[in-house]
Amino acid sequence: KQEVTQIPAALSVPEGENLVLNCSFTDSAIYNLQWFRQDPGKGLTSLLLIQSSQREQTSGRLNASLDKSSGRSTLYIAASQPGDSATYLCAVSGGSSNTGKLIFGQGTTLQVKP
Amino acid sequence: NAGVTQTPKFRILKIGQSMTLQCTQDMNHNYMYWYRQDPGMGLKLIYYSVGAGITDKGEVPNGYNVSRSTTEDFPLRLELAAPSQTSVYFCASRDGLSYNEQFFGPGTRLTVL
Repeated sequence: KQEVTQIPAALSVPEGENLVLNCSFTDSAIYNLQWFRQDPGKGLTSLLLIQSSQREQTSGRLNASLDKSSGRSTLYIAASQPGDSATYLCAVSGGSSNTGKLIFGQGTTLQVKP
Repeated sequence: NAGVTQTPKFRILKIGQSMTLQCTQDMNHNYMYWYRQDPGMGLKLIYYSVGAGITDKGEVPNGYNVSRSTTEDFPLRLELAAPSQTSVYFCASRDGLSYNEQFFGPGTRLTVL
């Protein structure tokens, strides 16, 4: 059974710092991995999607990497800003058929202090 | 495009009551999903659909029912509400291509007292 773990559960950094969020999964047979952002009381916003054949994806100050063999993904945020404060969720899609069902980690809550 | 819309935004139910959470998408996506998120946790899949008339159970289907009569709509039914169903419910959709992302609605916050 696929399990997704995110460490740390919470992180507080000063503004301007570069930071890395970690995501690990137990079954390497995935179709893709998605990183989401969730603001308090809000829905999920997709940040990056990495296909199983890719190693990384970039969008602005965000860079996500994927290492299927080790079951790990990282989300790198450069030059963090207070507006980056949110919960970040990773989710994997996989299994014997590509129905797109996502298995989520518990999330990392990030606070960027001015 | 409005994307994925959900109604209502908030709802309080008494134990044993029933209700339907509505979900509509205007992107002509084949795949639709219902997830629930308990406080401080990630999301768990309740039910999903790969097209009109086709639905299947996810990880936590007990206490829920779904139907998919059109491509656009995927309602979630709670028949006998229980306190354990207090949660935030998210609907999502995607097209049929393997590598495409899921788009999420804003959620419905449900409290069962």
